Amino acid sequence: QSVLTQPPSASGTPGQRVTISCSGSSSNIGSNTVNWYQQLPGTAPKLLIYSNNQRPSGVPDRFSGSKSGTSASLAISGLQSEDEADYYCAAWDDSLSLVFGGGTKLTVL
Amino acid sequence: EVQLVESGGGLVQPGRSLRLSCAASGFTFDDYAMHWVRQAPGKGLEWVSGISWNSGSIGYADSVKGRFTISRDNAKNSLYLQMNSLRAEDTALYYCAKGVGATISLPDYWGQGTLVTVSS
Repeated sequence: QSVLTQPPSASGTPGQRVTISCSGSSSNIGSNTVNWYQQLPGTAPKLLIYSNNQRPSGVPDRFSGSKSGTSASLAISGLQSEDEADYYCAAWDDSLSLVFGGGTKLTVL
Repeated sequence: EVQLVESGGGLVQPGRSLRLSCAASGFTFDDYAMHWVRQAPGKGLEWVSGISWNSGSIGYADSVKGRFTISRDNAKNSLYLQMNSLRAEDTALYYCAKGVGATISLPDYWGQGTLVTVSS
């Protein structure tokens, strides 16, 4: 059971906008920033969003992040087939541990 | 270019020990915190341990506390994970990851991982 809660799956058609949620508590998302990672099949995770809503260089602006209270969201607009991957949220917890969501498998139909 | 290369994984019997290493390059190693994160087959990401730039701050997941020890050698640009009393549930791909700052912080860059299989 992961500390952060994500839906196990999400889907959309090419060009569509999809949103993935991440729910936590006051000790993690509520008091610390959130990162999002993309894991393509058979590869290592890659940083997608940091500090709630910042994109590293090279990440398309189709990807955006937001945070409100104890929840965060990742939005992907103009969905493309290459976006099919697992997506994880992460945050530091005040119990002095790094916590992840269980991951969301995104399928592009 | 940031590069993190893990090594030391393999097949080990329950109760035995294993030491993982991570060789870092492409950044000033002693300016950043580092982490070990694992992923069991077909499962999600699980943080294992993190260490600050000067080893002054160290954290462990409850699942490995007392069995695993993280360390670093800044002179060798290397991160280590000593794993003792291994259990079947420790079977996973172990990733080395770089923190975004000197104190224990969320990871940005990840290595490709080294596979640890605990089985008799």
